[in-house]
Amino acid sequence: EDQVTQSPEALRLQEGESSSLNCSYTVSGLRGLFWYRQDPGKGPEFLFTLYSAGEEKEKERLKATLTKKESFLHITAPKPEDSATYLCAVLENTGFQKLVFGTGTRLLVSP
Amino acid sequence: DGGITQSPKYLFRKEGQNVTLSCEQNLNHDAMYWYRQDPGQGLRLIYYSQIVNDFQKGDIAEGYSVSREKKESFPLTVTSAQKNPTAFYLCASSVGGAGELFFGEGSRLTVL
Repeated sequence: EDQVTQSPEALRLQEGESSSLNCSYTVSGLRGLFWYRQDPGKGPEFLFTLYSAGEEKEKERLKATLTKKESFLHITAPKPEDSATYLCAVLENTGFQKLVFGTGTRLLVSP
Repeated sequence: DGGITQSPKYLFRKEGQNVTLSCEQNLNHDAMYWYRQDPGQGLRLIYYSQIVNDFQKGDIAEGYSVSREKKESFPLTVTSAQKNPTAFYLCASSVGGAGELFFGEGSRLTVL
């Protein structure tokens, strides 16, 4: 069964303090790995898709990378507005392409 | 602006009552989904629909029902058979069965 594990569960950073969030996965054949951002009380917002090991995607202060077993979301010089829960999901290798979500990392960036 | 609209945002229900959550999209997407989110758990798929008049059970369909009579609409009914219905419910859509989902703002259901 496909599994997605995110760490840490929660992370507190000072503004400008760079760090990384981890998403490890076990799938029989990766069809895609997805990062979402979720603000409290809101629906998730799509950030990135990664398909193969070595691939990288960037958006403002965020960069997502992918290896054969895990993905990292690097946050460079974060700002308080980057505070949110970041969700990772993998596309299950079945007839219907279903997403399997991790439990997320809650990021708090203090000014 | 294109997007997904869920209503109501907050809903309170007495035990034994059925409730229906609305989900409407104007993105012209074929596929629509319902997820449930509980604290400390990943999003779990309740039902999905890839085309009008067709839908499939997800991982936790027991106690729920859906319909897909129009491309734009995918309402979810939480029945009295659902043993633990208090949760945050999210509707989503996508162009196809892909992983880039567009989510609504969610509906929070509380059973009193």
